Amino acid sequence: GQQVMQIPQYQHVQEGEDFTTYCNSSTTLSNIQWYKQRPGGHPVFLIQLVKSGEVKKQKRLTFQFGEAKKNSSLHITATQTTDVGTYFCAGGSSNTGKLIFGQGTTLQVKP
Amino acid sequence: DADVTQTPRNRITKTGKRIMLECSQTKGHDRMYWYRQDPGLGLRLIYYSFDVKDINKGEISDGYSVSRQAQAKFSLSLESAIPNQTALYFCATSDFQGTGELFFGEGSRLTVL
Repeated sequence: GQQVMQIPQYQHVQEGEDFTTYCNSSTTLSNIQWYKQRPGGHPVFLIQLVKSGEVKKQKRLTFQFGEAKKNSSLHITATQTTDVGTYFCAGGSSNTGKLIFGQGTTLQVKP
Repeated sequence: DADVTQTPRNRITKTGKRIMLECSQTKGHDRMYWYRQDPGLGLRLIYYSFDVKDINKGEISDGYSVSRQAQAKFSLSLESAIPNQTALYFCATSDFQGTGELFFGEGSRLTVL
């Protein structure tokens, strides 16, 4: 079945450093979504990418969808302590209509 | 009030007991989901429902059952709870006509002793 792998599992950075998490799917995706879960909270939608090679930015966050629509990345420039949390990618299948989540990357930011 | 409400928020139970987790939503969405979260494993789909008459198994449905009582209500049952079902459970909804964004509830933490 469809699998979505996300790396790294954990990342500790100094405040001000950049951070990137990567997501890879075993199958071609119809879309990819990114979510952020703060400690003790629930996942909250950040963005959806649909087009091959798409790049979207939200302030210091840059999201990319691969040309083959099988991989994606989230890059945070100049991390802040408010960026702490777990970031999940979720791949959508046009065949099943469901989202499969990656394992998540937990980001710790040292002030 | 939250748009997606889960009850109970925390539950401790014993092996073999029947447990029901309930989810209700005020968003008017047709699609509802149950996910399970375990450290290092992310969110895994248990069951999903695209409307009241539609129920589908997800990645890890064994040991679970669901009921879609109404458009706004989707409950998850553990007929005979076992310790490896200890986890954080999330209900989520999405709008078919929207972006497909999932709206999550606050979560139900279940501990099976």
